[in-house]
Parts: sequence; C-alpha cells; structure tokens
Amino acid sequence: DIQMTQSPSFVSASVGDRVIITCRASQGISTWLAWYQQRPGKAPKLLIYSASSLQSVVSSRFSGSGSGTDFTLTISNLQPEDFATYFCQQANSFPRTFGQGTKVEIK
Amino acid sequence: QVQLQDSGPGLVKPSETLSLTCTVSGGSITSGSFYWTWIRQPPGKGLEWIGYISYSGSTDYNPSLKSRVTISVDTSKNQFTLKLSSVTAADTAVYFCARDSPVRRYYYGMDVWGQGTTVTVSS
Repeated sequence: DIQMTQSPSFVSASVGDRVIITCRASQGISTWLAWYQQRPGKAPKLLIYSASSLQSVVSSRFSGSGSGTDFTLTISNLQPEDFATYFCQQANSFPRTFGQGTKVEIK
Repeated sequence: QVQLQDSGPGLVKPSETLSLTCTVSGGSITSGSFYWTWIRQPPGKGLEWIGYISYSGSTDYNPSLKSRVTISVDTSKNQFTLKLSSVTAADTAVYFCARDSPVRRYYYGMDVWGQGTTVTVSS
C-alpha cells in the first residue's frame, strides 16, 4: 500500500492567515492526488483533484501543487468556515489511501 | 446532480454481519465509469478505504478487510450495498459511500459523498 504522510497534524491559525499543509507519498504517484475538507459530523468535501485543479464551487483561496511524492495544499486568507480537518488521498493504485489528516484550529 | 444516501442499522452485535446500502439519485449508477465506493472513519480517527464496485460488477477490496467484505450492486434499484461479516468493536465507525473516479488523463477525485451512517458494534 502507498503510505500518505501529512504535516503538520495540527495547526493553530488566525483569520486572514495563510496555511500550508504538506502531504508526502511513500512512492511516486504522478499527480493522482486529491484534497478534502471535513467539518465535524460531516462527510469529506472534495477541494482539489489531480493535485492542482480546483473543484467547481470551491473558493479560489484553496490551491494545490506538487507531483511525484511531495504535495501541498495552501489556504490563503483563512476564513472562519475554513477551520476544519484536511486530508490528502492518492489514486495511483488500489487500495486508495489517505493521509492521517491536518486539523486547522482557531488561534 | 448526483446525490448519495447511505442507510442501515446503527447497532450491530459482535460476530454478526454489518449491512449498509447506498442509494444513488439524480443519475444512473450505470452511467460513466465510476467506482462506487465505501469508506469508513473510526471515532476520532482518519479515513479508511474499504472497497469499490463498478456498474458492471467488478470489485476491489482493501486487503486488510478482504476476507470479510462483500460489495454488490443492484442496478434496477440504483443502489450498492456493503456487507462486512464477523464484526468486532474495531469495526465501530462512521461509514460513508462515495463516487470515485478512474485515473485517465485526470483524476477527478471522490466528488460525491453520502452523509455517513454511524455504526456501533456492541452486544
């Protein structure tokens, strides 16, 4: 299985800040990566597909980059609704695997 | 707009079989080349991919669960079903159904999710 490792696991930030979350794959996955946001008690929501493409109706404050083994999710101008947990997920092979999550909390 | 609705018992006894159904609305389960997928999330933990079925019936399962998992599809009802046998407390989780995409020129991600069903394994 491909292991996905996110860092940090937890970040404390203020409204208006920029947050960067990284995701590393245990082997190369090209750009077959997605990012999700999960609010408490809700299903994950797709933010970014193919590593850098913004899902429709998702705010342009979210952006993704990377290829191979190293990826980043950047949240610019953090808004109150962005405080949530974020997961990366690889689609290079089955089983699909997820990072352990990064919780973004209000400072 | 495709929507998914997962449903099933919220309480299952140890050693019994967990059974959940995901109903697809707003589109046909046979259209497109999607992977109709189950994912679970134990309390306070991350996401674990359980497996998928395609509209044609091909399946793939997580090796960690493969001996206990069956995913089936009923195209006449536009539904797919998860069965997990011999459950223990470790199977307590929120179970989500989702629509996953094949990898071709792009990977479009898991773009549609059910709301999640909380399943507790307890006697």
